[in-house]
Amino acid sequence: GAGVSQSPSNKVTEKGKDVELRCDPISGHTALYWYRQSLGQGLEFLIYFQGNSAPDKSGLPSDRFSAERTGGSVSTLTIQRTQQEDSAVYLCASSLERVDQPQHFGDGTRLSIL
Amino acid sequence: AQSVTQPDIHITVSEGASLELRCNYSYGATPYLFWYVQSPGQGLQLLLKYFSGDTLVQGIKGFEAEFKRSQSSFNLRKPSVHWSDAAEYFCASSRGSNFGNEKLTFGTGTRLTIIP
Repeated sequence: GAGVSQSPSNKVTEKGKDVELRCDPISGHTALYWYRQSLGQGLEFLIYFQGNSAPDKSGLPSDRFSAERTGGSVSTLTIQRTQQEDSAVYLCASSLERVDQPQHFGDGTRLSIL
Repeated sequence: AQSVTQPDIHITVSEGASLELRCNYSYGATPYLFWYVQSPGQGLQLLLKYFSGDTLVQGIKGFEAEFKRSQSSFNLRKPSVHWSDAAEYFCASSRGSNFGNEKLTFGTGTRLTIIP
């Protein structure tokens, strides 16, 4: 079956613009996660969805970052007023809603802020 | 708080030689432990996982890892590496069964180079 799908694969935008990143999880996976991978910070957790609700938003770095999930499926991560330090690869993962199930990752969106 | 340490930033191994990548975790109870591999421009692929039971776990691509509670370690091994194993390897942990689905805490990664 299809894996986790993320779009766009690459995004280049100017500082100050808003961007939306999309994640389409594996069908039937109710848990969805966003991570950020950058040279200086490594792999960092951003937010976790259980269905459409987000019980853990502890990793969102500022109020410019938000995410939503609708229909228990697709999720969008929005970054407002982008800054150069937002440049990173944004990875999405999904899993079944069982604690012994691993997370499966998409190929990520590479975001570059000019 | 959890933490995962991968002490080796970069390892170079000859093709056909054995491999061991180190991973240490810091957590009071037994965490869930994972190894992921990332090729350039790709996402993370799960190699293997440890939840409970047998401390020697087998994964894909001929990899195995051993959980050692006394050493807080979960080292990844392969008896004979192939050129296609060149990639970045990440060890990760989550807090385990009492906490539901949990975010992963990652180590900083080990870049593996294979020489002919």
